[in-house]
Amino acid sequence: GQQLNQSPQSMFIQEGEDVSMNCTSSSIFNTWLWYKQDPGEGPVLLIALYKAGELTSNGRLTAQFGITRKDSFLNISASIPSDVGIYFCAGRDDQNFGNEKLTFGTGTRLTIIP
Amino acid sequence: GAGVSQSPSNKVTEKGKDVELRCDPISGHTALYWYRQSLGQGLEFLIYFQGNSAPDKSGLPSDRFSAERTGGSVSTLTIQRTQQEDSAVYLCASSLWLGLPYNEQFFGPGTRLTVL
Repeated sequence: GQQLNQSPQSMFIQEGEDVSMNCTSSSIFNTWLWYKQDPGEGPVLLIALYKAGELTSNGRLTAQFGITRKDSFLNISASIPSDVGIYFCAGRDDQNFGNEKLTFGTGTRLTIIP
Repeated sequence: GAGVSQSPSNKVTEKGKDVELRCDPISGHTALYWYRQSLGQGLEFLIYFQGNSAPDKSGLPSDRFSAERTGGSVSTLTIQRTQQEDSAVYLCASSLWLGLPYNEQFFGPGTRLTVL
């Protein structure tokens, strides 16, 4: 099935650094989402974006919905150890009202170097 | 409250055998989704149930895959004649339709399937 292009694939950073990752699609999505997955767990929603151009923050996280509706980015400021994990973008297909199946990106694995 | 639960957490099977994976959604959630996550990949949509409506099966990769949802609650994903490429983590999610721009999907921990 289709997957969104997410980059970078992995990041190795030091605690306190800022992080930036992005996601692109060949098709338009009307809703963009960012999830975090810890080992052995299911993804947990971090931020949801509903309007093109929208910029939304959740604590140290900031995400933007691209104006073309084909991309989104996520920034994490002042990283801390609990930020370690895999981050996924996801687009929602609004073609079928009420069916909120998601198309996911390939993930960005974040590792903090001691 | 209790989240989405899945069983078993791990399943090892031999090629050609059938397997059943179970999902218990959050109580009262009307929508249920199955996704598959292959090693190092994102999640791939498989099937969607909403109330009594016909399920959206558009993501099932072959006719060896099927799913049912009994009584609008528990769901079972069945894979017949398993192949090695079926090895993956199978994730279930549920949501409550509130008419919001997006009704959050809550994910279970997944079932890791290994086909030898």
